[in-house]
Amino acid sequence: GQNIDQPTEMTATEGAIVQINCTYQTSGFNGLFWYQQHAGEAPTFLSYNVLDGLEEKGRFSSFLSRSKGYSYLLLKELQMKDSASYLCAVRPQTGANNLFFGTGTRLTVIP
Amino acid sequence: DAGITQSPRHKVTETGTPVTLRCHQTENHRYMYWYRQDPGHGLRLIHYSYGVKDTDKGEVSDGYSVSRSKTEDFLLTLESATSSQTSVYFCAIRVGSGGKETQYFGPGTRLLVL
Repeated sequence: GQNIDQPTEMTATEGAIVQINCTYQTSGFNGLFWYQQHAGEAPTFLSYNVLDGLEEKGRFSSFLSRSKGYSYLLLKELQMKDSASYLCAVRPQTGANNLFFGTGTRLTVIP
Repeated sequence: DAGITQSPRHKVTETGTPVTLRCHQTENHRYMYWYRQDPGHGLRLIHYSYGVKDTDKGEVSDGYSVSRSKTEDFLLTLESATSSQTSVYFCAIRVGSGGKETQYFGPGTRLLVL
């Protein structure tokens, strides 16, 4: 089976930095994805890691350690609009490209 | 916007009735997926398609069937809806190649089964 864990909720202050962790135990590994989902909307793609290390994209960065089964999403200079759920997903294998999702972390940004 | 639409966007139906949800894409992508999203479970794959008339089951396929008679449309059918199928349904397409494939999601359909 596939097991993907992330914290249920987090709160952070506008302008600050927040790190959202994700740990996984899956039957294989061929990539880890982060999605953002605002309430009532569809998930939108944020980042993709397949090799160890940090991928930076503007205010968002994502880190992967395959040996530890661990990833984090780092959000810098938080804005109120960053209040959303952040979904971690793992692609265990190639082929159909099926993704397995964690339950998501709901981030609330406060003034 | 990856050119994905879903219809209907909202639906209320009664237990035992058949329901069909439609996913439409405009960019000729080969792979399409149906997920459901429920509190405490995250997104779970129902069925996916890897081409016209080529489909396979996901992790929660019981009670659902799919069809893909043309590239642009992927239909999800609940043959006899049950209250446990009340959920938000998302369609997705796979974009990219060379190991960098990513899934992009449609706007979702909220289904309430009474």
